[in-house]
Amino acid sequence: NAGVTQTPKFQVLKTGQSMTLQCAQDMNHEYMSWYRQDPGMGLRLIHYSVGAGITDQGEVPNGYNVSRSTTEDFPLRLLSAAPSQTSVYFCASSLLAGAGGEQYFGPGTRLTVT
Amino acid sequence: GENVEQHPSTLSVQEGDSAVIKCTYSDSASNYFPWYKQELGKGPQLIIDIRSNVGEKKDQRIAVTLNKTAKHFSLHITETQPEDSAVYFCAGSGDKLTFGTGTRLAVRP
Repeated sequence: NAGVTQTPKFQVLKTGQSMTLQCAQDMNHEYMSWYRQDPGMGLRLIHYSVGAGITDQGEVPNGYNVSRSTTEDFPLRLLSAAPSQTSVYFCASSLLAGAGGEQYFGPGTRLTVT
Repeated sequence: GENVEQHPSTLSVQEGDSAVIKCTYSDSASNYFPWYKQELGKGPQLIIDIRSNVGEKKDQRIAVTLNKTAKHFSLHITETQPEDSAVYFCAGSGDKLTFGTGTRLAVRP
């Protein structure tokens, strides 16, 4: 099993550009989520999905869109990049939501917006 | 929603000493408390977790304690080794995980 994979590993965008961060898992997990990690702020939940076709907002959803057309894939779209979105982004998956157990994280995407 | 506070933000210990990281949570409905370790350039990885019906859990050199009344839980690492150097995150969960702000642990050889 590859676990949770993310592409790209690094990305530089100009303000106003759009892009999609890819996330895929091969563990047949129903629950997937996106976090951003900023210095001194821990991991903050952007969006999550409890299964194909179902998504919901987390703590910091503004400026991001998600969709979940398959169990395996959960892409994160930046609609119009802003410098405030410079961060490291992690995708995670788990068998169940919240208190359901271990979340498996991908290796992260480091995004810089200039 | 849940609010998780974590202290200290940085911790430096001598190899072989113990390290303790403390977290508090606000939502009395939270019932699951995992700890994650993040090595440089990698995603966080679960190292131990505890549920609200248990007061303490141990796994080799790592232990977690939970005080539901005071709403705090702690990570204890004994006989620290250089490979324990990493950032550690606590989290609390009812329906969604809320993470603490992290503790950077440095183990001096």
